[in-house]
Amino acid sequence: KAGVTQTPRYLIKTRGQQVTLSCSPISGHRSVSWYQQTPGQGLQFLFEYFSETQRNKGNFPGRFSGRQFSNSRSEMNVSTLELGDSALYLCASSPNRGGNTEAFFGQGTRLTVV
Amino acid sequence: KNQVEQSPQSLIILEGKNCTLQCNYTVSPFSNLRWYKQDTGRGPVSLTIMTFSENTKSNGRYTATLDADTKQSSLHITASQLSDSASYICVVSPPYGGATNKLIFGTGTLLAVQP
Repeated sequence: KAGVTQTPRYLIKTRGQQVTLSCSPISGHRSVSWYQQTPGQGLQFLFEYFSETQRNKGNFPGRFSGRQFSNSRSEMNVSTLELGDSALYLCASSPNRGGNTEAFFGQGTRLTVV
Repeated sequence: KNQVEQSPQSLIILEGKNCTLQCNYTVSPFSNLRWYKQDTGRGPVSLTIMTFSENTKSNGRYTATLDADTKQSSLHITASQLSDSASYICVVSPPYGGATNKLIFGTGTLLAVQP
């Protein structure tokens, strides 16, 4: 069974631009969560999608948005990029929702804003 | 203040030695506590998952313990190998029955195993 696939792996953007990151969950998994990882803050929850609906949102500005498609693939978008958005963006795939559900992480997308 | 704090922040040990990483949490109640290993530039990989009622869980050379009274967990690595060099992250999962996959991550411990 293929794992969680995130594309692209690396991305360099300039301030003010926008970016779209993609996450393909494990086949059969319906939940996708997104996390931002920076050296200073560690892993921070961005949002969770299940059945094409956003179920939870972390404390990030409205420039961060996402969506989920009917095949459970998810995208996240960051508009008006700032230098502080440079980070490793990870998505996690789970079969369902709930505290006992295992989460499988992708390799991440390394975003650098210059 | 983080709801999940880990210590030490970083650790250097010699190959073959044992080590113990600590995790203190304030999240209560919770469904389970997990330890993840994250190699540099890669996604976290699950090592152990313990429910709030479990005291210990092993996965090969990795053994996690949980003390719900003191709200502490530890990860013990036996006979360390060079490939154990990574960041180890303690993660608390939302309360049982809570319909959410919002995980709460600790600050991580960066382990370096030297030959």
